[in-house]
Amino acid sequence: NAGVTQTPKFRILKIGQSMTLQCTQDMNHNYMYWYRQDPGMGLKLIYYSVGAGITDKGEVPNGYNVSRSTTEDFPLRLELAAPSQTSVYFCASRETGEGSYEQYFGPGTRLTVT
Amino acid sequence: DAKTTQPNSMESNEEEPVHLPCNHSTISGTDYIHWYRQLPSQGPEYVIHGLTSNVNNRMASLAIAEDRKSSTLILHRATLRDAAVYYCILRARGGSNYKLTFGKGTLLTVNP
Repeated sequence: NAGVTQTPKFRILKIGQSMTLQCTQDMNHNYMYWYRQDPGMGLKLIYYSVGAGITDKGEVPNGYNVSRSTTEDFPLRLELAAPSQTSVYFCASRETGEGSYEQYFGPGTRLTVT
Repeated sequence: DAKTTQPNSMESNEEEPVHLPCNHSTISGTDYIHWYRQLPSQGPEYVIHGLTSNVNNRMASLAIAEDRKSSTLILHRATLRDAAVYYCILRARGGSNYKLTFGKGTLLTVNP
């Protein structure tokens, strides 16, 4: 299994541009999450999904959109990029149920908005 | 969500044990205690979790105070590869989304 994969690894955007960060998992997990991590800080939850077709906001959703049309994919869309969105973005997934306890994280996408 | 408090940084020597503390005085009876770590330039990875009893796995041990208001992650023999940020996280049992709330964690430096 590849686990959780994210593309691209790095990206530089100009202010006002848009882009989609891709996240795919091959573990058939229902739960998927998007986090951002600013320098020296912990991760903050942007959006999450409990299954295909179901998404919900996390702690810092403004400026982002998500969709979940399949179990495997959970893309994060940035519209009208701003310098405040410069960050490292991590995608994660998890099995359903209390017996499963681990979130699996991807390697991250480092985004710079200038 | 209940809050956790960890030291900003700790230092250890290679092959010595490391005890990473976490205070969670407002923990509820149904909160799990999770530990994740983040190696440089990588995503976080799960280390261990517990509810009331001490736990051991291949990576570490988790010692939970009897009143559950604090816990300690124990690395029995630190290696250079254990240098990372360690996060202590409380997660409510049940619920519908299994969200994790990350603080700043403890930066562990391991000296050769």
